Amino acid sequence: NAGVTQTPKFRVLKTGQSMTLLCAQDMNHEYMYWYRQDPGMGLRLIHYSVGEGTTAKGEVPDGYNVSRLKKQNFLLGLESAAPSQTSVYFCASRSTRGGLRQPQHFGDGTRLSIL
Amino acid sequence: SQELEQSPQSLIVQEGKNLTINCTSSKTLYGLYWYKQKYGEGLIFLMMLQKGGEEKSHEKITAKLDEKKQQSSLHITASQPSHAGIYLCGADSPDNYGQNFVFGPGTRLSVLP
Repeated sequence: NAGVTQTPKFRVLKTGQSMTLLCAQDMNHEYMYWYRQDPGMGLRLIHYSVGEGTTAKGEVPDGYNVSRLKKQNFLLGLESAAPSQTSVYFCASRSTRGGLRQPQHFGDGTRLSIL
Repeated sequence: SQELEQSPQSLIVQEGKNLTINCTSSKTLYGLYWYKQKYGEGLIFLMMLQKGGEEKSHEKITAKLDEKKQQSSLHITASQPSHAGIYLCGADSPDNYGQNFVFGPGTRLSVLP
């Protein structure tokens, strides 16, 4: 049971390049999230999804797009990377079965540097 | 929007000592989660608290929720080097699973052998 898997683990981009981060979960969770973690800023929610085919904006959505075409996958895209998007990105998933309050399960993160 | 504060920001203790980390919310806590993060890794779920006065323990870690004070505490007894890492609290809002789930800034714990 892999849980939440993020690919790639590390990536260096040049300003203006585009890329997609992939998150895959094998727990059949309904909800999925993308966060960024920066020193002194903590974890901030970028986008989230409450089910296949649905996405919503979080606290810091600008410069990012997401898609959830399959329940198990949640993709985060950077169309034109900027140095301000240098960060560690975390994906998480969450079940809603068994009650309203369930913990989020996190991947190991993707370290992204924009030069 | 709901905000979480954690204290202290960082903590250095000698192995074997007890310690407490606090998480304070600007609004009523309906679901409070504690996570641990090691450098370069993802967040590991520790415990969830929902009811005022609730207390849960796992090995040498105990978490309490004081709903009246909108505060939770995480207590580690007889700390070990394996307890080192960043501890984060997170909270649900009452009606939105995504946008209103927030995390505190984290408390960095170092345990000296």
